[in-house]
Amino acid sequence: EAGVVQSPRYKIIEKKQPVAFWCNPISGHNTLYWYLQNLGQGPELLIRYENEEAVDDSQLPKDRFSAERLKGVDSTLKIQPAELGDSAVYLCASSSILGGEQFFGPGTRLTVL
Amino acid sequence: QQQVKQSPQSLIVQKGGIPIINCAYENTAFDYFPWYQQFPGKGPALLIAIRPDVSEKKEGRFTISFNKSAKQFSLHIMDSQPGDSATYFCAVGDNFNKFYFGSGTKLNVKP
Repeated sequence: EAGVVQSPRYKIIEKKQPVAFWCNPISGHNTLYWYLQNLGQGPELLIRYENEEAVDDSQLPKDRFSAERLKGVDSTLKIQPAELGDSAVYLCASSSILGGEQFFGPGTRLTVL
Repeated sequence: QQQVKQSPQSLIVQKGGIPIINCAYENTAFDYFPWYQQFPGKGPALLIAIRPDVSEKKEGRFTISFNKSAKQFSLHIMDSQPGDSATYFCAVGDNFNKFYFGSGTKLNVKP
Protein backbone atom coordinates (compact mmCIF):
# COMPACT_ATOMS: atom_id res chain seq x y z
CA GLU A 1 0.00 0.00 0.00
CA ALA A 2 1.44 3.36 -1.04
CA GLY A 3 1.80 5.89 1.74
CA VAL A 4 0.94 9.56 1.77
CA VAL A 5 2.75 11.31 -1.07
CA GLN A 6 3.87 14.91 -0.86
CA SER A 7 5.62 17.16 -3.31
CA PRO A 8 7.88 18.92 -3.59
CA ARG A 9 10.10 17.57 -0.82
CA TYR A 10 12.07 20.80 -0.60
CA LYS A 11 11.29 24.32 -1.67
CA ILE A 12 13.36 27.49 -1.40
CA ILE A 13 11.74 30.79 -2.23
CA GLU A 14 12.24 34.46 -1.55
CA LYS A 15 9.88 36.28 0.79
CA LYS A 16 6.71 37.65 -0.75
CA GLN A 17 6.69 34.90 -3.37
CA PRO A 18 3.82 32.41 -3.58
CA VAL A 19 4.32 28.70 -2.93
CA ALA A 20 2.13 25.61 -3.16
CA PHE A 21 2.39 22.14 -1.69
CA TRP A 22 0.63 19.05 -2.95
CA CYS A 23 -0.56 15.99 -1.07
CA ASN A 24 -1.98 12.69 -2.25
CA PRO A 25 -3.42 10.73 0.69
CA ILE A 26 -3.61 6.98 1.05
CA SER A 27 -6.26 5.55 -1.26
CA GLY A 28 -9.62 5.39 0.42
CA HIS A 29 -8.76 7.78 3.25
CA ASN A 30 -11.52 10.32 3.62
CA THR A 31 -9.85 12.51 6.22
CA LEU A 32 -6.87 14.66 5.28
CA TYR A 33 -4.80 16.91 7.52
CA TRP A 34 -2.21 19.60 6.92
CA TYR A 35 0.23 20.22 9.74
CA LEU A 36 3.01 22.74 10.28
CA GLN A 37 6.15 21.53 12.04
CA ASN A 38 8.67 24.08 13.18
CA LEU A 39 12.22 22.96 13.90
CA GLY A 40 12.40 21.10 17.19
CA GLN A 41 8.65 21.19 17.71
CA GLY A 42 5.72 18.88 17.32
CA PRO A 43 3.29 19.15 14.40
CA GLU A 44 0.50 21.72 14.70
CA LEU A 45 -2.75 21.29 12.83
CA LEU A 46 -3.49 23.85 10.13
CA ILE A 47 -6.60 22.36 8.52
CA ARG A 48 -8.58 19.12 8.45
CA TYR A 49 -10.77 17.87 5.62
CA GLU A 50 -13.55 15.32 5.67
CA ASN A 51 -13.84 14.48 1.97
CA GLU A 52 -14.09 17.88 0.23
CA GLU A 53 -15.21 19.80 3.30
CA ALA A 54 -12.81 21.72 5.51
CA VAL A 55 -14.21 20.84 8.95
CA ASP A 56 -11.51 22.51 11.04
CA ASP A 57 -9.51 25.44 9.72
CA SER A 58 -9.38 27.42 12.93
CA GLN A 59 -5.56 27.42 12.99
CA LEU A 60 -5.07 28.34 9.35
CA PRO A 61 -3.78 31.94 8.90
CA LYS A 62 -6.36 32.82 6.31
CA ASP A 63 -4.81 36.12 5.31
CA ARG A 64 -2.01 34.32 3.48
CA PHE A 65 -2.77 30.60 3.61
CA SER A 66 -5.37 28.74 1.58
CA ALA A 67 -6.11 25.11 0.94
CA GLU A 68 -8.36 23.05 -1.25
CA ARG A 69 -9.29 19.43 -1.66
CA LEU A 70 -11.15 19.12 -4.92
CA LYS A 71 -12.98 15.83 -5.46
CA GLY A 72 -12.06 14.77 -1.95
CA VAL A 73 -8.75 13.17 -2.88
CA ASP A 74 -5.63 15.29 -3.52
CA SER A 75 -5.10 18.50 -1.64
CA THR A 76 -3.08 21.65 -2.19
CA LEU A 77 -1.88 24.09 0.46
CA LYS A 78 -0.85 27.54 -0.73
CA ILE A 79 0.94 30.45 0.88
CA GLN A 80 0.76 33.89 -0.73
CA PRO A 81 2.80 35.86 0.01
CA ALA A 82 5.35 33.85 1.97
CA GLU A 83 7.09 35.41 4.96
CA LEU A 84 10.40 34.53 6.61
CA GLY A 85 8.55 32.99 9.55
CA ASP A 86 6.84 30.48 7.26
CA SER A 87 10.06 28.47 6.99
CA ALA A 88 9.12 25.06 8.37
CA VAL A 89 8.13 21.55 7.36
CA TYR A 90 4.59 21.17 6.07
CA LEU A 91 3.20 17.71 6.75
CA CYS A 92 0.19 16.06 5.23
CA ALA A 93 -1.56 13.16 6.95
CA SER A 94 -4.61 11.05 6.22
CA SER A 95 -6.85 8.64 8.10
CA SER A 96 -9.57 6.26 7.00
CA ILE A 97 -12.18 6.93 9.70
CA LEU A 98 -12.86 9.55 12.27
CA GLY A 99 -10.77 8.57 15.29
CA GLY A 100 -8.43 6.40 13.29
CA GLU A 101 -4.66 6.34 13.04
CA GLN A 102 -3.17 9.26 11.15
CA PHE A 103 -0.57 8.34 8.53
CA PHE A 104 1.94 11.06 7.73
CA GLY A 105 3.74 11.90 4.54
CA PRO A 106 7.45 12.84 4.49
CA GLY A 107 6.67 16.54 4.46
CA THR A 108 7.79 19.53 2.40
CA ARG A 109 10.61 21.54 3.88
CA LEU A 110 10.08 25.21 3.02
CA THR A 111 12.85 27.77 3.31
CA VAL A 112 11.92 31.41 2.83
CA LEU A 113 14.87 33.72 2.19
CA GLN B 1 -2.17 27.13 25.07
CA GLN B 2 -0.16 23.95 25.06
CA GLN B 3 -2.51 20.97 25.39
CA VAL B 4 0.16 18.43 26.29
CA LYS B 5 3.51 18.91 28.00
CA GLN B 6 6.32 16.50 27.17
CA SER B 7 9.58 15.83 28.98
CA PRO B 8 12.48 15.50 28.80
CA GLN B 9 13.48 17.46 25.74
CA SER B 10 16.41 15.13 25.09
CA LEU B 11 17.61 11.82 26.46
CA ILE B 12 20.79 9.81 26.14
CA VAL B 13 20.92 6.16 27.17
CA GLN B 14 23.24 3.26 26.65
CA LYS B 15 22.20 0.32 24.50
CA GLY B 16 19.95 -1.96 26.54
CA GLY B 17 18.77 0.86 28.79
CA ILE B 18 15.12 1.80 29.32
CA PRO B 19 14.41 5.38 28.29
CA ILE B 20 11.20 6.85 29.71
CA ILE B 21 9.40 9.81 28.17
CA ASN B 22 6.59 11.53 30.01
CA CYS B 23 3.57 13.55 28.96
CA ALA B 24 0.93 15.40 30.93
CA TYR B 25 -2.36 16.94 29.86
CA GLU B 26 -5.22 18.85 31.46
CA ASN B 27 -8.33 18.37 29.35
CA THR B 28 -10.20 15.24 30.40
CA ALA B 29 -12.08 15.25 27.07
CA PHE B 30 -9.08 13.66 25.39
CA ASP B 31 -9.62 9.98 24.75
CA TYR B 32 -6.77 8.87 22.53
CA PHE B 33 -3.10 8.95 23.45
CA PRO B 34 -0.67 7.99 20.69
CA TRP B 35 3.09 8.04 20.52
CA TYR B 36 4.81 8.85 17.26
CA GLN B 37 8.41 8.20 16.21
CA GLN B 38 10.12 10.50 13.74
CA PHE B 39 13.44 10.02 11.98
CA PRO B 40 15.21 12.96 10.31
CA GLY B 41 13.68 13.82 6.97
CA LYS B 42 10.67 11.59 7.55
CA GLY B 43 7.15 12.19 8.73
CA PRO B 44 6.02 10.95 12.15
CA ALA B 45 4.96 7.28 12.29
CA LEU B 46 2.60 5.80 14.86
CA LEU B 47 4.43 3.66 17.37
CA ILE B 48 1.77 2.72 19.89
CA ALA B 49 -1.45 4.22 21.21
CA ILE B 50 -3.73 3.80 24.19
CA ARG B 51 -7.32 4.62 25.17
CA PRO B 52 -8.13 5.77 28.72
CA ASP B 53 -9.92 2.54 29.66
CA VAL B 54 -6.62 0.70 30.19
CA SER B 55 -3.60 1.57 32.31
CA GLU B 56 -0.91 -0.13 30.26
CA LYS B 57 -0.32 -1.35 26.74
CA LYS B 58 2.66 -3.23 25.37
CA GLU B 59 3.69 -3.72 21.78
CA GLY B 60 7.03 -5.40 21.37
CA ARG B 61 9.65 -3.39 23.25
CA PHE B 62 7.37 -0.37 23.61
CA THR B 63 5.04 0.15 26.56
CA ILE B 64 2.63 2.95 27.38
CA SER B 65 1.74 3.54 31.01
CA PHE B 66 -1.39 5.62 31.53
CA ASN B 67 -2.49 7.28 34.75
CA LYS B 68 -5.96 8.68 34.20
CA SER B 69 -6.31 10.32 37.61
CA ALA B 70 -2.97 12.10 37.28
CA LYS B 71 -3.60 12.90 33.61
CA GLN B 72 -0.20 11.59 32.68
CA PHE B 73 1.12 8.95 30.34
CA SER B 74 4.57 7.72 29.51
CA LEU B 75 6.48 5.71 26.94
CA HIS B 76 9.01 3.08 27.99
CA ILE B 77 11.39 1.50 25.50
CA MET B 78 12.73 -1.81 26.75
CA ASP B 79 16.18 -3.04 25.70
CA SER B 80 16.77 0.13 23.67
CA GLN B 81 18.87 -0.13 20.51
CA PRO B 82 20.85 2.43 18.51
CA GLY B 83 18.18 2.12 15.81
CA ASP B 84 15.67 3.57 18.28
CA SER B 85 17.53 6.89 18.13
CA ALA B 86 14.86 9.29 16.88
CA THR B 87 12.52 12.01 18.07
CA TYR B 88 9.45 10.82 19.93
CA PHE B 89 6.21 12.78 20.15
CA CYS B 90 3.28 12.13 22.39
CA ALA B 91 -0.10 13.40 21.34
CA VAL B 92 -3.58 13.73 22.76
CA GLY B 93 -6.65 13.29 20.62
CA ASP B 94 -10.28 14.21 21.06
CA ASN B 95 -13.32 12.42 19.70
CA PHE B 96 -13.10 14.46 16.52
CA ASN B 97 -9.65 12.99 15.88
CA LYS B 98 -8.03 16.36 16.43
CA PHE B 99 -4.49 15.75 17.69
CA TYR B 100 -2.33 18.00 19.79
CA PHE B 101 1.33 17.03 19.79
CA GLY B 102 3.94 17.44 22.49
CA SER B 103 7.16 19.28 21.80
CA GLY B 104 9.16 16.09 21.26
CA THR B 105 11.98 14.17 22.92
CA LYS B 106 15.18 13.54 21.03
CA LEU B 107 16.48 10.11 22.04
CA ASN B 108 20.06 9.03 21.47
CA VAL B 109 20.88 5.40 22.21
CA LYS B 110 24.63 4.90 22.39
CA PRO B 111 26.13 1.59 21.25
